[in-house]
Amino acid sequence: AQSVTQLDSQVPVFEEAPVELRCNYSSSVSVYLFWYVQYPNQGLQLLLKYLSGSTLVKGINGFEAEFNKSQTSFHLRKPSVHISDTAEYFCAVRANQAGTALIFGKGTTLSVSS
Amino acid sequence: DAGVIQSPRHEVTEMGQEVTLRCKPISGHNSLFWYRQTMMRGLELLIYFNNNVPIDDSGMPEDRFSAKMPNASFSTLKIQPSEPRDSAVYFCASSLEQGYGYTFGSGTRLTVV
Repeated sequence: AQSVTQLDSQVPVFEEAPVELRCNYSSSVSVYLFWYVQYPNQGLQLLLKYLSGSTLVKGINGFEAEFNKSQTSFHLRKPSVHISDTAEYFCAVRANQAGTALIFGKGTTLSVSS
Repeated sequence: DAGVIQSPRHEVTEMGQEVTLRCKPISGHNSLFWYRQTMMRGLELLIYFNNNVPIDDSGMPEDRFSAKMPNASFSTLKIQPSEPRDSAVYFCASSLEQGYGYTFGSGTRLTVV
């Protein structure tokens, strides 16, 4: 079975500062990794995904994440955040095999203030 | 494309009543997922379908919960009887291929009083 741990439940930052949201996963098989964002009262929107290939993945809204197999991590980063980035961010994992679905972490609330 | 459509957006019902949540996936997507979101437990996978067939329902909390997908364009999640602890936001998502990026609906906020 797979599991995801998001190490920070809340991350407060000032506008234009860099941010890193941490995610670690556990799996006995190879995995696909995802980051989703949820704005208040909305569904989840895909930010980026790692399926294979380059370990540095770029997504929408200037976010990127790096897959580190040895550390079983998939941290999300943005060099300069905006007020509009305030939202809940979810890391998710899925085993690279048939018959499995996405398993989500508990989420990290990113709060950007001016 | 209108995206994944869920109805109703909000549902308030009394304990013991039957509740039916509806989902229309994106046309052409062959996988459909039901998730429940609460503050305490986060996002939990309830059940998912592939080509209208239930693949894994191990996340369905109790026999009070049931889900169907009679055709490729419609799915329901039913709770009978409902209880206050079922209060949550229920999301439906669909995917072209299992495990690739999911498209989520806006969710149904269920309150059982």
